[in-house]
Amino acid sequence: GAVVSQHPSWVICKSGTSVKIECRSLDFQATTMFWYRQFPKQSLMLMATSNEGSKATYEQGVEKDKFLINHASLTLSTLTVTSAHPEDSSFYICSARGRGTYNEQFFGPGTRLTVL
Amino acid sequence: KNEVEQSPQNLTAQEGEFITINCSYSVGISALHWLQQHPGGGIVSLFMLSSGKKKHGRLIATINIQEKHSSLHITASHPRDSAVYICAVSIIQGAQKLVFGQGTRLTINP
Repeated sequence: GAVVSQHPSWVICKSGTSVKIECRSLDFQATTMFWYRQFPKQSLMLMATSNEGSKATYEQGVEKDKFLINHASLTLSTLTVTSAHPEDSSFYICSARGRGTYNEQFFGPGTRLTVL
Repeated sequence: KNEVEQSPQNLTAQEGEFITINCSYSVGISALHWLQQHPGGGIVSLFMLSSGKKKHGRLIATINIQEKHSSLHITASHPRDSAVYICAVSIIQGAQKLVFGQGTRLTINP
């Protein structure tokens, strides 16, 4: 149980385009989803926390207009990197938390974004 | 000082050796996670602990709440165990955000 998937697993895009990354909880309802970013050889950095049906809470220094987060259902959250630039190239990881036995963070496999 | 400290930062061992990675934390927690990240990036949750000990295959994780310390052990290590191992804690205050250790890079040579 507690499987979290991400799609796509990797994406290459041109500078100026927008990219959407999906995070799904496959076998539980995720009341909260977390989006992380990881630079090479560094630990995960929390970008934002989203609760189903409400606006995401962004960490200090993260541009909410740049990184749009939608948590429209209890099994799906999306992160859209708008007008991507090469400095947005990174590894993006989501995690999901539910209720009861799922009341902890379960991680997705990550999405590697490369902006040319 | 970081709230979560891992040691060692880097560890190289020969195949078959018994491996121990340590994690100490300084905050109140509801749970501690051990994560594995292979080259290429994908993160796998190995264990989630709030007390005692858990075992899965060759992996064993222990936690001592009083001492605020956890260990991850790998028995009969294998080159495929080479990865970065990350300790993360769910802090009681702060919307259950995770605080991450800096990771331990493990290399097992054949």
